Amino acid sequence: SQKIEQNSEALNIQEGKTATLTCNYTNYSPAYLQWYRQDPGRGPVFLLLIRENEKEKRKERLKVTFDTTLKQSLFHITASQPADSATYLCALPMTTDSWGKLQFGAGTQVVVTP
Amino acid sequence: GAGVSQSPRYKVAKRGQDVALRCDPISGHVSLFWYQQALGQGPEFLTYFQNEAQLDKSGLPSDRFFAERPEGSVSTLKIQRTQQEDSAVYLCASSLVSLTGVSDNEQFFGPGTRLTVL
Repeated sequence: SQKIEQNSEALNIQEGKTATLTCNYTNYSPAYLQWYRQDPGRGPVFLLLIRENEKEKRKERLKVTFDTTLKQSLFHITASQPADSATYLCALPMTTDSWGKLQFGAGTQVVVTP
Repeated sequence: GAGVSQSPRYKVAKRGQDVALRCDPISGHVSLFWYQQALGQGPEFLTYFQNEAQLDKSGLPSDRFFAERPEGSVSTLKIQRTQQEDSAVYLCASSLVSLTGVSDNEQFFGPGTRLTVL
């Protein structure tokens, strides 16, 4: 399995600014990496998947990058809104041959203030 | 149903009691996963089903934990002789494709069952 590190401190950001979150992993290069959003009292919600051969992926105001050399993914929320306040989790397959078995980071809480 | 449902949403058990947690996945989803989430942590994998077959149970913390999905749809996670360290949120997720499928492999999570063992 991997050791996955995400910023443990909450990220406080002003509305309209860009929030940038990091996800670092330590062992093998995964075939893909996923990002999920989790609100209090709810299950995670899938946001984006980026594959090992993709450097960048966008979805609306979200952008994800994947650097297999640095073993790092960056998750950006542009033009942030208070509704973006949540915990964001990165997830990787647990082993090189497991497509669906995921290992999650501890998540980073984002707080967007008006 | 619109999404994955789990019941009960909250369960309080006395130490030593047995509990059963239910998961109703999205209709037609082949894959079903159970995760355990401690406070302030990400979900941790417990077990995986492809249809009715339990293909991986390597994450189950002890033999007190047992999961089944007899007809390939609803799944039950049972914990026998609960201990205080079992207190956590138990999440169920379903996915359309099997482990060997090539897709975004999006997992749809239920709201979880919060288990408190006194």
